[in-house]
Amino acid sequence: AQRVTQPEKLLSVFKGAPVELKCNYSYSGSPELFWYVQYSRQRLQLLLRHISRESIKGFTADLNKGETSFHLKKPFAQEEDSAMYYCALSGGGNQFYFGTGTSLTVIP
Amino acid sequence: KAGVTQTPRYLIKTRGQQVTLSCSPISGHRSVSWYQQTPGQGLQFLFEYFSETQRNKGNFPGRFSGRQFSNSRSEMNVSTLELGDSALYLCASSRTGGVTNEKLFFGSGTQLSVL
Repeated sequence: AQRVTQPEKLLSVFKGAPVELKCNYSYSGSPELFWYVQYSRQRLQLLLRHISRESIKGFTADLNKGETSFHLKKPFAQEEDSAMYYCALSGGGNQFYFGTGTSLTVIP
Repeated sequence: KAGVTQTPRYLIKTRGQQVTLSCSPISGHRSVSWYQQTPGQGLQFLFEYFSETQRNKGNFPGRFSGRQFSNSRSEMNVSTLELGDSALYLCASSRTGGVTNEKLFFGSGTQLSVL
């Protein structure tokens, strides 16, 4: 069965420190993985997708099929990175499976 | 371009009642998906509509239903409300929904409280 696990509900880091938000998935086919972010009082929005191999706002995520992981990383956290982050798996078409989210707080 | 619009923003209902939520996608988007968001479960997929047809469905009881109109606007209906239906209901639209890695655009949601 398709499943996305984000083991950390809350994560706090100091400004300038590296940050890693963990995401593990379970999927029988070839996965398509995404990170969505929700800033305070804003809508949920796409941060990045694995197929694009892009870096958005300094964040990167590498798909590791061996470990079935898609961790989100940033070398130097900024205060504006404080938000709720959701890892999501596409099961084909527009059916997405979301993790329960990690609330990131960057301490000044 | 206007974003995804959901109405109403808040709803308070009592058990046993039914409710209808509305979603207007971004102009030109033909796929509309619905998600239920709760603190404990996160976002759970309800269903997706494309060209007035339900294309995908999540694991929710038949009390949850939806439809899409020819202008791509979508409605979601929940009948015989239960306390556990209290949640934020999010609507998301995308251009076609058939292309992999397509970006979802979310609305602000409708907060439903069942008393």
